[in-house]
Amino acid sequence: NAGVTQTPKFQVLKTGQSMTLQCAQDMNHEYMSWYRQDPGMGLRLIHYSVGAGITDQGEVPNGYNVSRSTTEDFPLRLLSAAPSQTSVYFCASRPPVGTEAFFGQGTRLTVV
Amino acid sequence: DAKTTQPPSMDCAEGRAANLPCNHSTISGNEYVYWYRQIHSQGPQYIIHGLKNNETNEMASLIITEDRKSSTLILPHATLRDTAVYYCIVNAGGTSYGKLTFGQGTILTVHP
Repeated sequence: NAGVTQTPKFQVLKTGQSMTLQCAQDMNHEYMSWYRQDPGMGLRLIHYSVGAGITDQGEVPNGYNVSRSTTEDFPLRLLSAAPSQTSVYFCASRPPVGTEAFFGQGTRLTVV
Repeated sequence: DAKTTQPPSMDCAEGRAANLPCNHSTISGNEYVYWYRQIHSQGPQYIIHGLKNNETNEMASLIITEDRKSSTLILPHATLRDTAVYYCIVNAGGTSYGKLTFGQGTILTVHP
């Protein structure tokens, strides 16, 4: 039981490049979400999903796309990377009944 | 979700109890109080949650005032490994279940 797995752990992009941050969970959780954390700040919600095929925007969705084709995976796409997207990205999953959200270890992204 | 207010930082001596306060004066009747912590920029870790009764688990105790407008997380015997950022979060579940709103949190420093 691996929990929530994020890949890659580190990434450097050039401005304008696109990439996908991967998130997978093996706990059969319905709820998954993506957060970003800037230095000295709390986590801010980017997008979330309440189940396969259902996604919605969070607090800071601009510049990011998501899709949820399976229960296990919730990839986050950066369409055209900007320096303002330099941050640490966390993926989380949570069961529909129950209370504890499980977080991945983060992806540290730098856009130059 | 209701907003929360926490002190930006607190200190505690190792072996003593750490009492972390949180104000949530606009909490609604169906909203739970959750506590998470984040150690060294790792993914946040669930600690405890409650609705209106006091709760205790192997990590901590949660005391919620009768009017539910504030709460206190208690780490009964703090260790150096408890040094972390502690987040108090109010969440109603339902359609907002997958969305946790993180504030700035409290930086707890446990010293020898």
